[in-house]
Amino acid sequence: GAVVSQHPSRVICKSGTSVKIECRSLDFQATTMFWYRQFPKQSLMLMATSNEGSKATYEQGVEKDKFLINHASLTLSTLTVTSAHPEDSSFYICSAEGRNQPQHFGDGTRLSIL
Amino acid sequence: QKEVEQNSGPLSVPEGAIASLNCTYSDRVSQSFFWYRQYSGKSPELIMSIYSNGDKEDGRFTAQLNKASQYVSLLIRDSQPSDSATYLCAALISSGSARQLTFGSGTQLTVLP
Repeated sequence: GAVVSQHPSRVICKSGTSVKIECRSLDFQATTMFWYRQFPKQSLMLMATSNEGSKATYEQGVEKDKFLINHASLTLSTLTVTSAHPEDSSFYICSAEGRNQPQHFGDGTRLSIL
Repeated sequence: QKEVEQNSGPLSVPEGAIASLNCTYSDRVSQSFFWYRQYSGKSPELIMSIYSNGDKEDGRFTAQLNKASQYVSLLIRDSQPSDSATYLCAALISSGSARQLTFGSGTQLTVLP
């Protein structure tokens, strides 16, 4: 089946640090990639949608200057959490969708800001 | 009203029984529906997709879609302890050129040995 790789799987860092998360589709071209955030015991909340070569579309309430998304190729998207604070601690999950491919998720990144 | 609603459970069934998970949606634009399984601390894994009315079977899983009633369900036959997880119902909602997967809050299933 389709594989989406997400890295790193876990990050622990100090407040004020910027953290970059990578999402790669390994065996298909991802026309669209999605970034979600999930707090404990809650469902996934879509943060933004990105199409290759264009600016990401952010959901209401998500700060685009804080969560920088780059989708430079059909197989790679990155999410950078800039100047992270403890309230940004969460489980961040990417997914990728291609032609004739429903969304497949990466393994997620657990971010802990001290 | 939320666009995709699930009974959050928890739902407990004995090993070997049929687990029935239900989901309703409010947006008639939805054309595609998905069931994801999420183990604790892990990301969701796609287990079933369904696009047309009726039943779709894949191994021990059967998805059922009734667009008139805006209802989609997942049946798990011969439930195993390894099926214990949170099951997320999702609907693909199209609006113009944008498409967005909207998730329910998930139903926590426990299969008791």
